[in-house]
Amino acid sequence: EPEVTQTPSHQVTQMGQEVILRCVPISNHLYFYWYRQILGQKVEFLVSFYNNEISEKSEIFDDQFSVERPDGSNFTLKIRSTKLEDSAMYFCASSEPRLEAFFGQGTRLTVV
Amino acid sequence: DAKTTQPPSMDCAEGRAANLPCNHSTISGNEYVYWYRQIHSQGPQYIIHGLKNNETNEMASLIITEDRKSSTLILPHATLRDTAVYYCIAHPGANSKLTFGKGITLSVRP
Repeated sequence: EPEVTQTPSHQVTQMGQEVILRCVPISNHLYFYWYRQILGQKVEFLVSFYNNEISEKSEIFDDQFSVERPDGSNFTLKIRSTKLEDSAMYFCASSEPRLEAFFGQGTRLTVV
Repeated sequence: DAKTTQPPSMDCAEGRAANLPCNHSTISGNEYVYWYRQIHSQGPQYIIHGLKNNETNEMASLIITEDRKSSTLILPHATLRDTAVYYCIAHPGANSKLTFGKGITLSVRP
C-alpha cells in the first residue's frame, strides 16, 4: 500500500539553527500538507501546497517557515531559526483531488 | 469548519462493537463528516467519511442521523490495536485543511 514517508524520524537541533524536514508524498497525489502536534496538544494545520504554491497557511506558519517541492517527489518544510517552542511532531500529508489525506508517521523535532 | 463535540473518553471490551458518538449540530450542507484516528503519536489515519448516507468500509461503519446533527462511528469487533484517539471532523472535503479537535480516547480492554 502506498504511503507517505518522512525523514528523519527524530531530529535534535540547537536553538537558532535551521532545520529541513523531508517528506515523500504518495506519487500520484497533487495536494500536500504540513501539520504539527506539540506534545499533549491537538494536531494543528500549518500549510497546504498545490500546483507549486501555497494554497493556505495558518497563523503558525510565519516567516520562519517555508515549504518547497524541489524535485517533483520530495516536499520539504524548512524552519529558518528554530525556537524552543518549535519542538513538536511534524506530520506531512498528501491527497488526490477531493479525496482523503494520508499522513506520514511524523518527524519528532526537539529544539534544545 | 463546523465545530464537533466528542466525549473525552470511552472504553469497550475486546471483540465487542465500539460505538463512538459525535455531535456536529452546526454542520453545513456541503460539509462531510470525516473520522481519523491517531495511535500513540503516529500520524493520523483516515478511517471513513460520509455526507448524508451511512457508509461502511473494511475498517468501520459511519451512521449519520437524518438531520446530520450527529453521527456514530462503529468499530464492529474492537481489538486491542484499536486503542487510539478518534477524531470526528466536519470538513468541506475539497482538499482544504483538516481541523482536529481533542478527539475521543478509545481504550479497548482485554
